[in-house]
Amino acid sequence: GQQLNQSPQSMFIQEGEDVSMNCTSSSIFNTWLWYKQDPGEGPVLLIALYKAGELTSNGRLTAQFGITRKDSFLNISASIPSDVGIYFCAASEGSQGNLIFGKGTKLSVKP
Amino acid sequence: NAGVTQTPKFQVLKTGQSMTLQCAQDMNHEYMSWYRQDPGMGLRLIHYSVGAGITDQGEVPNGYNVSRSTTEDFPLRLLSAAPSQTSVYFCASSSDTWNLEAFFGQGTRLTVV
Repeated sequence: GQQLNQSPQSMFIQEGEDVSMNCTSSSIFNTWLWYKQDPGEGPVLLIALYKAGELTSNGRLTAQFGITRKDSFLNISASIPSDVGIYFCAASEGSQGNLIFGKGTKLSVKP
Repeated sequence: NAGVTQTPKFQVLKTGQSMTLQCAQDMNHEYMSWYRQDPGMGLRLIHYSVGAGITDQGEVPNGYNVSRSTTEDFPLRLLSAAPSQTSVYFCASSSDTWNLEAFFGQGTRLTVV
């Protein structure tokens, strides 16, 4: 079946550093989404990408929809302690609305 | 704004027991879905619904039933709980199948002993 390979699995960074994570697949998708999950909470949508090559920002977050439609990356600039959590990529082929998720990147930030 | 509400937040079941996880949304969303989250596995789709009266299976449907009698509610039933169903369950909704920006509930942490 379709799979999203998300890396890295975990990151330990110093406050103020930039962060980069990515998601790849052998399948082509029409939509890529990035979610963040805080402990004990449900995932919250950060950025949605609908067009190949699209680069979208949300504050300190920037995400890109790969030109091949098989990958996406998320960058966080100048990390702060509240960036701690698990970041998930998700993707969909189209009209059914079903999302598949990567296994997540756990981010830890040292003050 | 309530958004997506899941109950209960925590539940312990004995093997073989049945129960229903409740999910309700107040955003008039057509599309609703259930996921399970296991350590290191991400979120896997159990069942989904594109509208009232319509449901379909996701990636891991075995051992679960769903129904969608109203737009607002999408309960998940465990027919005969097994330890392998110990997980955190999330309900999500989005406005329709073309808008994939899903809103998630806070989750139900289920332990089957």
